[in-house]
Amino acid sequence: NAGVTQTPKFQVLKTGQSMTLQCAQDMNHEYMSWYRQDPGMGLRLIHYSVGAGITDQGEVPNGYNVSRSTTEDFPLRLLSAAPSQTSVYFCASSRTGWETQYFGPGTRLLVL
Amino acid sequence: AQSVTQPDIHITVSEGASLELRCNYSYGATPYLFWYVQSPGQGLQLLLKYFSGDTLVQGIKGFEAEFKRSQSSFNLRKPSVHWSDAAEYFCAVGGSSDYKLSFGAGTTVTVRA
Repeated sequence: NAGVTQTPKFQVLKTGQSMTLQCAQDMNHEYMSWYRQDPGMGLRLIHYSVGAGITDQGEVPNGYNVSRSTTEDFPLRLLSAAPSQTSVYFCASSRTGWETQYFGPGTRLLVL
Repeated sequence: AQSVTQPDIHITVSEGASLELRCNYSYGATPYLFWYVQSPGQGLQLLLKYFSGDTLVQGIKGFEAEFKRSQSSFNLRKPSVHWSDAAEYFCAVGGSSDYKLSFGAGTTVTVRA
């Protein structure tokens, strides 16, 4: 098993550009989530999904969109990047909502 | 709203010494509590979790945590640290009503020889 994979590992964007952060898992997990990690603030939940076709907002959803068309994939879309979205983004998955979450290696995003 | 406070930003401990990391939470009902560890440049790994039952929870890598409802705390302990325990540690709280996990700001642990 590859576990949770994220691409790209690092990305530089200009303000206003759009991009999609990819997340995939091969463990047939129902629950997937996106977090951002900023210094001194821990991890904050952006969006999560409890199964294909079902998504919900977390603590900091503004500026981000998600969809869950398959069990395996949970992409995070930035429609118009802003410098405040400079962060490290982690995707996680678990069998159900409160089972052990497995984290991906992260995507480091810099918005200029 | 649920929240987590980790009062110690940075702790330095000697190899072989004991370690205790503090975590205080705020949650309206019975909380689900977690400790995660993040090694440099890595994702997070679950150390242990508490849902119910015995308030002393054993985890991986020799870690344990104790849930104290009266103090709203879930402190992490290890009797004897190893150099490989140098990492950032995060406490998190969630609840049965939804799947939203709230993390603390983290405590960085440095292990000196």
